[in-house]
Amino acid sequence: DAGVTQSPTHLIKTRGQQVTLRCSPKSGHDTVSWYQQALGQGPQFIFQYYEEEERQRGNFPDRFSGHQFPNYSSELNVNALLLGDSALYLCASSYGEGQETQYFGPGTRLLVL
Amino acid sequence: AQSVTQPDIHITVSEGASLELRCNYSYGATPYLFWYVQSPGQGLQLLLKYFSGDTLVQGIKGFEAEFKRSQSSFNLRKPSVHWSDAAEYFCAVVPFRGQNFVFGPGTRLSVLP
Repeated sequence: DAGVTQSPTHLIKTRGQQVTLRCSPKSGHDTVSWYQQALGQGPQFIFQYYEEEERQRGNFPDRFSGHQFPNYSSELNVNALLLGDSALYLCASSYGEGQETQYFGPGTRLLVL
Repeated sequence: AQSVTQPDIHITVSEGASLELRCNYSYGATPYLFWYVQSPGQGLQLLLKYFSGDTLVQGIKGFEAEFKRSQSSFNLRKPSVHWSDAAEYFCAVVPFRGQNFVFGPGTRLSVLP
């Protein structure tokens, strides 16, 4: 049973560029959440997708957007990258609207130069 | 303000010694409570969770945690630490059903041989 997978594992971009990160949820899960973890900090909630719609959103600007596909996989897009967007981006999956327990992927480390 | 605090940024213990990591939250109702562990460069692994019932919960890798409503705490314990336990530990809270995770800042655990 595959867990949550994310791609790519590492990414280097320059300021102003755009980036797309991908996530495949754990088998049987239908809800995907995205988190940003800056160095030395706890993860911060970006948004959550359920039934292909953004259901909740944290305190992140509109430069951060996402999508969920019919197979429940998800993408996180960040436009107009800033140096401060450098972080580990974590995807977590869960089942159903209750989603009390989330299972995390290994993350994508993004470096913005 | 509603938050999750982990008072200890860094803890060092000797292998075989006991461990207690502290977590406090400031939410009115009893939230769902979690502990996750993160090894360097990795995603988060769920150690244990508390939703209701017995206030002492058992997790993986020999960890346990105790929920104390009067103290708004959910401290993580292990009777005998192994060198492989060295990692970052995050306490997380779901304020109420349907909300997303709020993570504490983390406690880094070092283990001396």
